[in-house]
Amino acid sequence: EPEVTQTPSHQVTQMGQEVILRCVPISNHLYFYWYRQILGQKVEFLVSFYNNEISEKSEIFDDQFSVERPDGSNFTLKIRSTKLEDSAMYFCASSPNRGINTEAFFGQGTRLTVV
Amino acid sequence: GESVGLHLPTLSVQEGDNSIINCAYSNSASDYFIWYKQESGKGPQFIIDIRSNMDKRQGQRVTVLLNKTVKHLSLQIAATQPGDSAVYFCAEDAGGTSYGKLTFGQGTILTVHP
Repeated sequence: EPEVTQTPSHQVTQMGQEVILRCVPISNHLYFYWYRQILGQKVEFLVSFYNNEISEKSEIFDDQFSVERPDGSNFTLKIRSTKLEDSAMYFCASSPNRGINTEAFFGQGTRLTVV
Repeated sequence: GESVGLHLPTLSVQEGDNSIINCAYSNSASDYFIWYKQESGKGPQFIIDIRSNMDKRQGQRVTVLLNKTVKHLSLQIAATQPGDSAVYFCAEDAGGTSYGKLTFGQGTILTVHP
C-alpha cells in the first residue's frame, strides 16, 4: 500500500540552527501539507502546497518556515533558525486532490527536539 | 511544577463493548468532517468521514453521527478491540478555497482492556 514517508524519524538540533525535514508524498498525489503536534496537544495545520506554490499557511508558519518541492518526489519543510518552542512532531501529508471525500494520508512524523 | 499541555479526555472500555467518542467543532460553515486514529508514535490514520449534508455514515464497525444544530460529531465503535486503543481526533475541513486544511479537535484517548 502506498504511504507517505518522512525522514529522519527523530532530529535533535541546537537552538538557532537550521533544520530540514523531508517527506516523500504518495507518487500520484498533487496536494501536500505539513502539520505539527506539540507533545500532548492537538495536531495543528502549518501549510498546504499545490502546483509548486503555497496554497495556504497558518499563523504558525512565519518567515522562519519555508517549504519546497525540489524534485518530483520530495517535499521539504525548512526551519531557518530553530527555537525551543519548535520542538514538536512534524507530520507531512498528501492527498490526490482536495475537497469532499478526499482522504489525506499522513506520514509517521519527524520528532524535532530543539535543545 | 505546573504541568503544560492539554489533558485529553479518556475513555476506558472492556473488549467487546461499544465505544462512543464525542467531538464539538467550531466552524458552522465547515462541510466535511473526518475522524482520525493516532496510535503511539504514528501519524493520524483516516477512519471515516462525513459530509455536512448527512447526519450518519457507517463503515466497518464504525459509525459517525453529525448534529449540525449543536455542532457535534460522534464516533461509535462497535465491539471494541484492544487494537482500537489509540487517540481519536475529529477534524473539520475548512472547505471552499481552503479544502484540505484540517482543523483538529483535542483528541480522546481510548483504552480497551482485554
